[in-house]
Amino acid sequence: AQTVTQSQPEMSVQEAETVTLSCTYDTSESDYYLFWYKQPPSRQMILVIRQEAYKQQNATENRFSVNFQKAAKSFSLKISDSQLGDAAMYFCAYGGGADGLTFGKGTHLIIQP
Amino acid sequence: NAGVMQNPRHLVRRRGQEARLRCSPMKGHSHVYWYRQLPEEGLKFMVYLQKENIIDESGMPKERFSAEFPKEGPSILRIQQVVRGDSAAYFCASSPRMGTGNTGELFFGEGSRLTVL
Repeated sequence: AQTVTQSQPEMSVQEAETVTLSCTYDTSESDYYLFWYKQPPSRQMILVIRQEAYKQQNATENRFSVNFQKAAKSFSLKISDSQLGDAAMYFCAYGGGADGLTFGKGTHLIIQP
Repeated sequence: NAGVMQNPRHLVRRRGQEARLRCSPMKGHSHVYWYRQLPEEGLKFMVYLQKENIIDESGMPKERFSAEFPKEGPSILRIQQVVRGDSAAYFCASSPRMGTGNTGELFFGEGSRLTVL
């Protein structure tokens, strides 16, 4: 079974600074997807960024980028120029296609003004 | 194109009552997933359904919980004889059929928050 581990229950960063959230996973598959979802206080699950395992290039979405290390099974999220609206729970997730997603326990990101 | 619709958003039940949570997937999506989120925790997989079929219910408690996704109408998550430990947010997510642009991403509803008194 796949497992996803987020070792940082909480992270804090000053507004406009950069923060990196860690995620590791375990799988025996070679082809899969990895995701970061954001859950603000409204509790809506919002997709932040997605990475296909077969792509070596790290995904980037504006201020959000990932460091995908397939051999190490690591998938960290970097948020540049942090904004107050980035404050939320961030969940790392592993997906194998139509099988649904396995989520980590989340990291609570606090943005200090 | 409406997103995943869940209702009710909030539901209060007394111990022993039944709770029914409904989910309409995005148009064109035939895969539906239910997840449960306890306070301060991540989402735990419960069940994966396609139209009229339960594909994977490995995350569902063996008793009191059931799910369906009929040919017509929304998917239903049903909890019988609720207990206080059932209090949680229940999220539904959908994805399109395989081979039709499925990127592995799940599209989530806003969740249904169940409170058991």
